[in-house]
Amino acid sequence: GAVVSQHPSWVICKSGTSVKIECRSLDFQATTMFWYRQFPKQSLMLMATSNEGSKATYEQGVEKDKFLINHASLTLSTLTVTSAHPEDSSFYICSAREDTRSNSPLHFGNGTRLTVT
Amino acid sequence: AQSVAQPEDQVNVAEGNPLTVKCTYSVSGNPYLFWYVQYPNRGLQFLLKYITGDNLVKGSYGFEAEFNKSQTSFHLKKPSALVSDSALYFCAVRGSHSGNTPLVFGKGTRLSVIA
Repeated sequence: GAVVSQHPSWVICKSGTSVKIECRSLDFQATTMFWYRQFPKQSLMLMATSNEGSKATYEQGVEKDKFLINHASLTLSTLTVTSAHPEDSSFYICSAREDTRSNSPLHFGNGTRLTVT
Repeated sequence: AQSVAQPEDQVNVAEGNPLTVKCTYSVSGNPYLFWYVQYPNRGLQFLLKYITGDNLVKGSYGFEAEFNKSQTSFHLKKPSALVSDSALYFCAVRGSHSGNTPLVFGKGTRLSVIA
């Protein structure tokens, strides 16, 4: 089945530094990937939709200059948390769909646990 | 607008007993419904989906879900719960005319199976 690989699985960084998270579709091409953020014991919050070859679409309230998304190829999207602060500490998950039909399920990466000290 | 409601934050069930995790939805047009499971510090895993056809859908790990159009529900069920089923479960929906838009997720229900 379709596999989405996310790296790193966890990262600890100092406040003010930037962190890049990679999301790869391993055996399919994904023109669109979705980035979610999950707070402890809470549901997924969609941050942005990453579109290959064009700008990402951000959800309301998500700072696009802080959470930079790049989807340079059909198999790779990256999320960069710039000038990270402790409140950015969270679990970030990417997802992609094998095809664009509405009835196809999303495939999720294993997530990245970000801790900003 | 699309929405999903999972009315229970937590469901506790004894091992071997049947389990139900509830989900209701609201969507324009015909719904495409999904269930996902999340284990600690992991991404979501796809369990099953309803697109069309038989209202009872069977999925991974012995789970099934029943689509009820009149009640706009898609409850997840398993005849006999295992301790290893303890996890966070998410229901999600997308309308049939939504194209490549994101899924809308419920807030999740934590299932705890007690030995």
